[in-house]
Amino acid sequence: ELKVEQNPLFLSMQEGKNYTIYCNYSTTSDRLYWYRQDPGKSLESLFVLLSNGAVKQEGRLMASLDTKARLSTLHITAAVHDLSATYFCAVASAGNMLTFGGGTRLMVKP
Amino acid sequence: NAGVTQTPKFRILKIGQSMTLQCAQDMNHNYMYWYRQDPGMGLKLIYYSVGAGITDKGEVPNGYNVSRSTTEDFPLRLELAAPSQTSVYFCASSYQGGSYNEQFFGPGTRLTVL
Repeated sequence: ELKVEQNPLFLSMQEGKNYTIYCNYSTTSDRLYWYRQDPGKSLESLFVLLSNGAVKQEGRLMASLDTKARLSTLHITAAVHDLSATYFCAVASAGNMLTFGGGTRLMVKP
Repeated sequence: NAGVTQTPKFRILKIGQSMTLQCAQDMNHNYMYWYRQDPGMGLKLIYYSVGAGITDKGEVPNGYNVSRSTTEDFPLRLELAAPSQTSVYFCASSYQGGSYNEQFFGPGTRLTVL
């Protein structure tokens, strides 16, 4: 059974600081996704990571994947208040079924 | 394109009542999914479909039923609603065959069972 763990579950940051969210998963997979969810809203796709060593960047967010370690990271550079949201990683298994991590609630304070 | 649409947005049910959550997509996606999200948690897969007429169970299927008679629609049926089914329900769709197989999510239905 695939298990996906994120940490931390809650992160309070000052604007301008850097931080990393970690996503560990238990079995081999060929795809990992990162999503953003604002309170009361649906999920917005951020990144799709397909291969070992994959790195993708969009603005202040950068995601990477290490399939050998079964680890993905979401790095936040110089955080701004607009990045406050909950971030989920999700790992694909057969039939493109996704198993989600528990989410990381990010609060960026001025 | 409207993408993935869901109705209703909110619903309150009494214990033992039944209802159908509607989901439709206009992207000609072959795969469709139903997830539930409990407060402060990640999403859990209820059922999924790989095409019209084909459905299969996900992680938490008990208390739910689905059907897929067309490519566009994937309704979720709750029979004999229970308080444990209080949750936010998300429908998603994806096109299998590309590199990303990315799932696109609807706006969600917030269900309360009292």
